[in-house]
Amino acid sequence: KAGVTQTPRYLIKTRGQQVTLSCSPISGHRSVSWYQQTPGQGLQFLFEYFSETQRNKGNFPGRFSGRQFSNSRSEMNVSTLELGDSALYLCASSPIAGTPGSEQFFGPGTRLTVL
Amino acid sequence: GDSVTQMEGPVTLSEEAFLTINCTYTATGYPSLFWYVQYPGEGLQLLLKATKADDKGSNKGFEATYRKETTSFHLEKGSVQVSDSAVYFCALSEPGGSYIPTFGRGTSLIVHP
Repeated sequence: KAGVTQTPRYLIKTRGQQVTLSCSPISGHRSVSWYQQTPGQGLQFLFEYFSETQRNKGNFPGRFSGRQFSNSRSEMNVSTLELGDSALYLCASSPIAGTPGSEQFFGPGTRLTVL
Repeated sequence: GDSVTQMEGPVTLSEEAFLTINCTYTATGYPSLFWYVQYPGEGLQLLLKATKADDKGSNKGFEATYRKETTSFHLEKGSVQVSDSAVYFCALSEPGGSYIPTFGRGTSLIVHP
């Protein structure tokens, strides 16, 4: 079974631009979560989608948004990029949301650099 | 709210040394506990987990025991290898809520030959 895939793997943008990142979960997984990973802040939860609905949201500004499609694929968008948005963005999928002890399966991430 | 505290890194060891990475947590209920590992250039992957008190999770020579009385889930390995060099994340997931895991800051492990 194929793992979680993320595209693109690397991205360079300039301040003020916007960016869209894509995530394809493991087949059959309906929950997709997004995380931002930086050396200073560690791993921070952005949002989680289940059956095309945002179920949970972390503490990030409205510039960060996402969506999930009927095939469970998900995208996240960051508008008006700032230098501080440079990070590794990780996507994770789970088979069933809300199951005690269920693990998350992570993709390799998209490395975003904002110049 | 829930939180996970891990020991600061990096932890630097020689090959075949004993490894302990401390993890303590704060939770309102009875969480499931996890250790994830992130190898260079990759995403996180589950290393082991425990879902109730006194459970021991184990995988690839790593072990961790769910200690409710000390709210801890320390990761141990008897003999580390260079290939174990990675960042290790402790995490918890609490039932009755969103189940979104709360992660610690991560501990970098560097193993020298």
